[in-house]
Amino acid sequence: GAVVSQHPSRVICKSGTSVKIECRSLDFQATTMFWYRQFPKQSLMLMATSNEGSKATYEQGVEKDKFLINHASLTLSTLTVTSAHPEDSSFYICSASDRGGNTDTQYFGPGTRLTVL
Amino acid sequence: GDSVTQMEGPVTLSEEAFLTINCTYTATGYPSLFWYVQYPGEGLQLLLKATKADDKGSNKGFEATYRKETTSFHLEKGSVQVSDSAVYFCALTPNTGNQFYFGTGTSLTVIP
Repeated sequence: GAVVSQHPSRVICKSGTSVKIECRSLDFQATTMFWYRQFPKQSLMLMATSNEGSKATYEQGVEKDKFLINHASLTLSTLTVTSAHPEDSSFYICSASDRGGNTDTQYFGPGTRLTVL
Repeated sequence: GDSVTQMEGPVTLSEEAFLTINCTYTATGYPSLFWYVQYPGEGLQLLLKATKADDKGSNKGFEATYRKETTSFHLEKGSVQVSDSAVYFCALTPNTGNQFYFGTGTSLTVIP
């Protein structure tokens, strides 16, 4: 099946620094990518939806100036956590949808574990 | 709003035991329902889905039936294997839009 990769898989950073997480669709063109956040023992929470070439749509309560999303090409979306703080420590997962945009053709990445010291 | 509630884990079973992971949902209209599985170190993979009431999704010996009257989509397997050890997520998408709402996940460990 289709593969979505994330880089890095794990990152540790100091408070106040910015961290960029990449999400790539390896063998298909992703018109839509989704970013999720997962706290320990909690469900995945949708943070934002990004469409190639346009601004991301953020879910209520997600700070768009803190979580910058760029979807500049059909195979790459990036999430930048700006001025990270310990409360931003979490597991971030992306998913990518092909041109059909059907729910059953969303493919998930393996996730990125962010730890902010 | 839309939400999914699934059985808390972790669940530990012996090989060949019967598995049930409960999932109930809250949604307006007629959502689509899914079970995703996440093996260690890998991304979420679609296990099965159902898009309307009374539909049964099935894959790899797993089954789940869309029950609108009880707003449930319980996952079952008659005989689990060690290779089924993973985290299982119940999810829905509303009938408008394609965003997912996930349950908290249930960790399953199958011991030989």
